[in-house]
Amino acid sequence: GENVEQHPSTLSVQEGDSAVIKCTYSDSASNYFPWYKQELGKRPQLIIDIRSNVGEKKDQRIAVTLNKTAKHFSLHITETQPEDSAVYFCAASTGNTPLVFGKGTRLSVIA
Amino acid sequence: DGGITQSPKYLFRKEGQNVTLSCEQNLNHDAMYWYRQDPGQGLRLIYYSQIVNDFQKGDIAEGYSVSREKKESFPLTVTSAQKNPTAFYLCASSPRTGYNSPLHFGNGTRLTVT
Repeated sequence: GENVEQHPSTLSVQEGDSAVIKCTYSDSASNYFPWYKQELGKRPQLIIDIRSNVGEKKDQRIAVTLNKTAKHFSLHITETQPEDSAVYFCAASTGNTPLVFGKGTRLSVIA
Repeated sequence: DGGITQSPKYLFRKEGQNVTLSCEQNLNHDAMYWYRQDPGQGLRLIYYSQIVNDFQKGDIAEGYSVSREKKESFPLTVTSAQKNPTAFYLCASSPRTGYNSPLHFGNGTRLTVT
């Protein structure tokens, strides 16, 4: 089955700097890659997703890139703000099985 | 909140007791899921259901049971057979568009078993 690895497990950046979180997946048939943000004590919420027919997607300060050949995708957050501090999860699905999640990255934005 | 209600928010039980966690959604979604969250372990799938009266085991189904008698409801029972039941449990739903659609999560139930 699918296996998703996520790195780093923790990340600290200065406010205003960029943050990058990377995920690799094992099943080449995976075609859907969402990212979720979970603030402390709250539920995970979808922040951006990408499908395999697209290489990059942007939404204001966040972007996701996908490299199907290498089987990895990344989340990029620019101009980080304290409210970006949270745990971020990547996930992957082939469409025939439920999403498989990475173990998460705890992002701390230092003011 | 967000159309998915989990109750209670906190639950305490003694070891050896079964406990049922509630999950109700009013989003008219066909698919519902239960995930377990432990520190540093991400979200692990316990059970999922794509349609009423049908459900499948996820990666860590041992010690858990579910039912799907109504489209809106997907309760999870943590049985005494679950060796490490203390965790944060998240229920989620998605529209019936296969597995390539976003999940909507409830606010979770934190279960503590002593």
